[in-house]
Amino acid sequence: QTVVTQEPSLTVSPGGTVTLTCASSTGAVTTSSYPNWFQQKPGQAPRALIYSTSNKHSWTPARFSGSLLGGKAALTLSGVQPEDEAEYYCLLYFARGQLAVFGGGTKLTVL
Amino acid sequence: QVQLEESGPGLVKPSETLSLSCTVSGGSISNYYWSWIRQPPGKGLEWIGYIYQSGSTNYNPSLRSRVTLSLDTSKNQFSLKLTSVTAADTAVYFCASLPAGYWGRGTLVTVSS
Repeated sequence: QTVVTQEPSLTVSPGGTVTLTCASSTGAVTTSSYPNWFQQKPGQAPRALIYSTSNKHSWTPARFSGSLLGGKAALTLSGVQPEDEAEYYCLLYFARGQLAVFGGGTKLTVL
Repeated sequence: QVQLEESGPGLVKPSETLSLSCTVSGGSISNYYWSWIRQPPGKGLEWIGYIYQSGSTNYNPSLRSRVTLSLDTSKNQFSLKLTSVTAADTAVYFCASLPAGYWGRGTLVTVSS
């Protein structure tokens, strides 16, 4: 069974920078896993932020960026705002896109 | 702007079939990949599967034996059927277009007698 692992929780100060990561039990994450990142606030549907590793949607704030870092997918928030406090999920694709697996989510606290 | 909206019963009895539809507006269902994702109360997201414009499908292996996705291009809708449901299938069900990034608001389906 393929498992995708994220940090359960992270804390960052307003204006600071934080990196969330997304690891695969099958080995290094590559662009072929087409990493996606989503933000979810309580009671809301997830909002897509990043697709295919580093591509932003038209609505994605500039302070969010995606990359590969040390064999993992990464989401970096630079100049964190209080409204960035949320749960963040990554999604990886496997088997040439035939399988998709979400990470368990990272609860980001802005404090 | 593409918008998605889920519809279907909010309560399903154990052992019965859960059926949901997702209506797409502002865009054609003949484009993109169309996905179903669910989230049990207080838990994380689980990918159920996706269907492509051609009708080809891919499913979560843990649900494959019980899931069917389909497209209705005449209604600009796609649908989810999940058979033999149990309480473990209680969740908010989302339809989405990934990687395009469009999501529905989600609909809570409770499995209970």
